[in-house]
Amino acid sequence: EAQVTQNPRYLITVTGKKLTVTCSQNMNHEYMSWYRQDPGLGLRQIYYSMNVEVTDKGDVPEGYKVSRKEKRNFPLILESPSPNQTSLYFCASSLFWASGANVLTFGAGSRLTVL
Amino acid sequence: SQQGEEDPQALSIQEGENATMNCSYKTSINNLQWYRQNSGRGLVHLILIRSNEREKHSGRLRVTLDTSKKSSSLLITASRAADTASYFCATVPQRDFGNEKLTFGTGTRLTIIP
Repeated sequence: EAQVTQNPRYLITVTGKKLTVTCSQNMNHEYMSWYRQDPGLGLRQIYYSMNVEVTDKGDVPEGYKVSRKEKRNFPLILESPSPNQTSLYFCASSLFWASGANVLTFGAGSRLTVL
Repeated sequence: SQQGEEDPQALSIQEGENATMNCSYKTSINNLQWYRQNSGRGLVHLILIRSNEREKHSGRLRVTLDTSKKSSSLLITASRAADTASYFCATVPQRDFGNEKLTFGTGTRLTIIP
């Protein structure tokens, strides 16, 4: 089944404890992206990647890192999580980025709580 | 920054009625998309309409686009309980080089009353 898989789905952690949210897609998609969703703010893009070894900042990149060493994986790293990073996180992918081909397939989401 | 803004924020209708949601955006676009999100789950793509298109249909969904008013509407006909979800519009800016992202609105929460 074609899908985007995120792990963990739920995580409670404490301030400052490094964590990684993994994202993997099995559709050979070139484009991948991370969003966070907060009440009243909708979805905001954190980082995106056009292809392997090509990443760029979205609207809210502060406090996050990403890497794209393989086409299928796009992990989101929180080096020193803070309570304002408590959110619902989504990974998404698209076959490639072009004006008519940028339909996103989303993962199921990862709900992160930072105490 | 938010590109798309949906209206209304919340909508409740009886099963079988039609539901209409609107989206306004700020800058010129290449295309506009609508997504559905069931509570707390991932978004699912519904339909894409290009800037040179005015109307598009997919099953019970009808999307219109008015680029002069920078607005779009999503109509769901003959609503069902399973249509209960949040609906988001998302836009791709016309000049997207160096800005490769879908920008989402804050969504319309649709509740279908059985």
